[in-house]
Amino acid sequence: GEDVEQSLFLSVREGDSSVINCTYTDSSSTYLYWYKQEPGAGLQLLTYIFSNMDMKQDQRLTVLLNKKDKHLSLRIADTQTGDSAIYFCAEAPNAGKSTFGDGTTLTVKP
Amino acid sequence: ETGVTQSPTHLIKTRGQQVTLRCSSQSGHNTVSWYQQALGQGPQFIFQYYREEENGRGNFPPRFSGLQFPNYSSELNVNALELDDSALYLCASSPGQPNEKLFFGSGTQLSVL
Repeated sequence: GEDVEQSLFLSVREGDSSVINCTYTDSSSTYLYWYKQEPGAGLQLLTYIFSNMDMKQDQRLTVLLNKKDKHLSLRIADTQTGDSAIYFCAEAPNAGKSTFGDGTTLTVKP
Repeated sequence: ETGVTQSPTHLIKTRGQQVTLRCSSQSGHNTVSWYQQALGQGPQFIFQYYREEENGRGNFPPRFSGLQFPNYSSELNVNALELDDSALYLCASSPGQPNEKLFFGSGTQLSVL
């Protein structure tokens, strides 16, 4: 079955870059997503990439996809304290039927 | 344009009871998906509704059921509640099929005692 794995925790200093990694197993995934969840809130879609792309950049966010290794990463440039949250990787044949990882808690220290 | 809204925000039930959770999709969205998020875990797909029909289901027992109404709002019903049903239930809508983006509500926190 489908499985999405992420490391649980990441701590960085304000102003540094953060890199959150994810691996997935379903090679038929069409879309791969990164979501952000703040305490007591739902999930906010940050960015997504089609499975036929290698990279996508959106302001401070860069997504890299290695389809051969089924590895997805999210780089946040110039990380700010407001970026502290849980980040979820997800893969899907369509967005509504996504399989999520268990999230990476990003802590940004001043 | 209003976003996805869910009600209630919090709910406490006892084991064996039944519960109904409600979701209003974002304006113009005809697809609604429901997810269960247990503490410390990622959301798990329960089912999806598209134009009032179930359009895919995750690995959840039949006591989890749903409805979608002509205005595309939706309900999630859970019968015979178990302690393990305690979780955050998230509703998400999207503007059609095939859909690329999900827009999540803030969820209903269900506690089963």
